[in-house]
Amino acid sequence: DGGITQSPKYLFRKEGQNVTLSCEQNLNHDAMYWYRQDPGQGLRLIYYSQIVNDFQKGDIAEGYSVSREKKESFPLTVTSAQKNPTAFYLCASSPRDGPRGYTFGSGTRLTVV
Amino acid sequence: AQTVTQSQPEMSVQEAETVTLSCTYDTSESNYYLFWYKQPPSRQMILVIRQEAYKQQNATENRFSVNFQKAAKSFSLKISDSQLGDTAMYFCAPGPYGGSQGNLIFGKGTKLSVKP
Repeated sequence: DGGITQSPKYLFRKEGQNVTLSCEQNLNHDAMYWYRQDPGQGLRLIYYSQIVNDFQKGDIAEGYSVSREKKESFPLTVTSAQKNPTAFYLCASSPRDGPRGYTFGSGTRLTVV
Repeated sequence: AQTVTQSQPEMSVQEAETVTLSCTYDTSESNYYLFWYKQPPSRQMILVIRQEAYKQQNATENRFSVNFQKAAKSFSLKISDSQLGDTAMYFCAPGPYGGSQGNLIFGKGTKLSVKP
């Protein structure tokens, strides 16, 4: 079955470390997205990519970086510049055209220790 | 910029009863879609229902239906015959129709508890 796989499910980061969250999809979707979810904040867009080798900053891109070298993959790196990285991270994908509903991964819970 | 307001942070309903979750939005798009997503305690985001803004008929999916008022920019979700499995966060999200720009903008959510 097609879907989106996020890994790991839980991730712990020490202060000053960079960590990378994986997101892979086999839905043949062109567009992919990263959202951050905090209690009471809803979902906030970090980065998105409409096509391979191109990506755009979302509302809260500072302290994060992404790459889109393959259509199937959109990894997110949380850098040491992100001062408050503890959150739940959701990856999503959608077709580039037509009804732009998203398919979501199951999320990664990142905790700074 | 698009904004989405879900004015009810928390709601509760008795099993088998009906509940309506409200959502208002602001957009400059002339054509767009609106979505309701459900996030149960597992935190998996699940698409509940979708409405095309150019269609006057309200969308329905089994026990879930919407009341879409385009002029008022209102998009409420009605859940009939509520079940314990409906307990979840519900997010409203308008988004553009097609094209290569724009993304879904999510409201802050409504936490729904279904009581036995």
